[in-house]
Amino acid sequence: DILLTQSPAILSVSPGERVSFSCRASQSIGTSIHWYQQRTNGSPRLLIKYASESISGIPSRFSGSGSGTDFTLSINSVESEDIADYYCQQSNSWPTTFGAGTKLELK
Amino acid sequence: EVKLLESGGGLVQPGGSLKLSCAASGFDFSRYWMSWVRQAPGKGLEWIGEINPDSSTINYTPSLKDKFIISRDNAKNTLYLQMSKVRSEDTALYYCARPGYGSSSWFAYWGQGTLVTVSA
Repeated sequence: DILLTQSPAILSVSPGERVSFSCRASQSIGTSIHWYQQRTNGSPRLLIKYASESISGIPSRFSGSGSGTDFTLSINSVESEDIADYYCQQSNSWPTTFGAGTKLELK
Repeated sequence: EVKLLESGGGLVQPGGSLKLSCAASGFDFSRYWMSWVRQAPGKGLEWIGEINPDSSTINYTPSLKDKFIISRDNAKNTLYLQMSKVRSEDTALYYCARPGYGSSSWFAYWGQGTLVTVSA
């Protein structure tokens, strides 16, 4: 199975700051990475598909980049509603796998 | 509006069985692959498996293959997850998820989850 390593485990930010989440795959997966947000007691919400493709209804401050083994999710200007856990998922190799997540918290 | 509503969770004794349901609405259920994903308390997401529209293909993550049976009833727009020989490590919130389109492997829609607690 492909292992996805997300770092750091916890990110502390102030509102308005730019923040980046890292997801590294154990082998090359092209751009088959997808990002999800999960607020406390909420269900996962798809933010970005195929590394950089935007999703309807998701604020434009969310963006994704990367290919091969290294991927990044960025939030341009963090808002309080962005406080959540963020997960990456790969769909290049069966079975699909998720990273362990990064928790975004306010300073 | 796409809606997925899981039910059937609860307290089950170790070694017991439980059947979860996911009622789908707002889309043509019979045209989509569907998946189950679980999340242990305080942990990340784990994909359990998937079923194709006519139930002819069912895939499970290898480590969970002998524990779960996924099925569906397109006439009832319902997805099922039969759990057996449960253990404490099966305690989790169980989500059903629908891909963005057809057979894609990214999940555009998720239910609210149903909690399964394995305890004596």
